[in-house]
Amino acid sequence: GAGVSQSPSNKVTEKGKDVELRCDPISGHTALYWYRQRLGQGLEFLIYFQGNSAPDKSGLPSDRFSAERTGESVSTLTIQRTQQEDSAVYLCASSYQGAFTDTQYFGPGTRLTVL
Amino acid sequence: AQSVTQPDIHITVSEGASLELRCNYSYGATPYLFWYVQSPGQGLQLLLKYFSGDTLVQGIKGFEAEFKRSQSSFNLRKPSVHWSDAAEYFCAVGAGSGGYQKVTFGTGTKLQVIP
Repeated sequence: GAGVSQSPSNKVTEKGKDVELRCDPISGHTALYWYRQRLGQGLEFLIYFQGNSAPDKSGLPSDRFSAERTGESVSTLTIQRTQQEDSAVYLCASSYQGAFTDTQYFGPGTRLTVL
Repeated sequence: AQSVTQPDIHITVSEGASLELRCNYSYGATPYLFWYVQSPGQGLQLLLKYFSGDTLVQGIKGFEAEFKRSQSSFNLRKPSVHWSDAAEYFCAVGAGSGGYQKVTFGTGTKLQVIP
C-alpha cells in the first residue's frame, strides 16, 4: 500500500522519561530497519528485523534501547530513561526481503528532542 | 567493515549549472552503492543504485552516477540543476552481512541552489 509511516513525527520529552517510536512498514515487506540520524551526521544503523526476529541488534547504543516487531508489521523502538544525547531523528526503513539488492524505503522519521 | 566518505558538507550551485557530488567508499569486495536524497521534513528517497554491469547508472530526476573501481568512487552528477534539487544527498554502500543487506551511509552533502 502506501509508503513507510512513522509516528509521532515529533516528540519532546524530559530527560529520564521513556519514549516509544512506531514504524509501519510497507505491506508485504519482511525486512525492517531502524536508523538514528544525529544533527549533521549520517545515518547510524540501530537494528534489523526479518519478520519478527532481530538477527542484528548490533547498532543499539545501550541497553536503554530496545525494539520489537509484531509479525511482519508494526515495529516499536523504545528508549528508556532518555538522555539528551538521544536527541536525533529516528528513521525506519523497510525492504521486500532484506536481500542484497533490495531497495530500502524510508519513512519520514520521528524527531526526538530530550530536554 | 565498509565505510563511505562524502568530503563536501555543503555545496552551492546556481540554477542551471552542472552538479557533481563526491562519494568515496571503502569495501573489500564488490560494493552495492546507492544515492539517496532527503528533502526537508521528508524521508530518504532512492535516486539510483549500482550493483553490477554498466558503471554509469541513470536515476530519477535526471541524476546519474558513475562507479569507478580504481578510484573507489561513486560520484553523483546532474547536467543542469533545478531549484527543487535543493536537499541533502547521501551516498551509501551496502554489503551482504549474515545473509542480509547492511547499508552504511555517508554524512551527507547539503545542496543549496541559488537563482
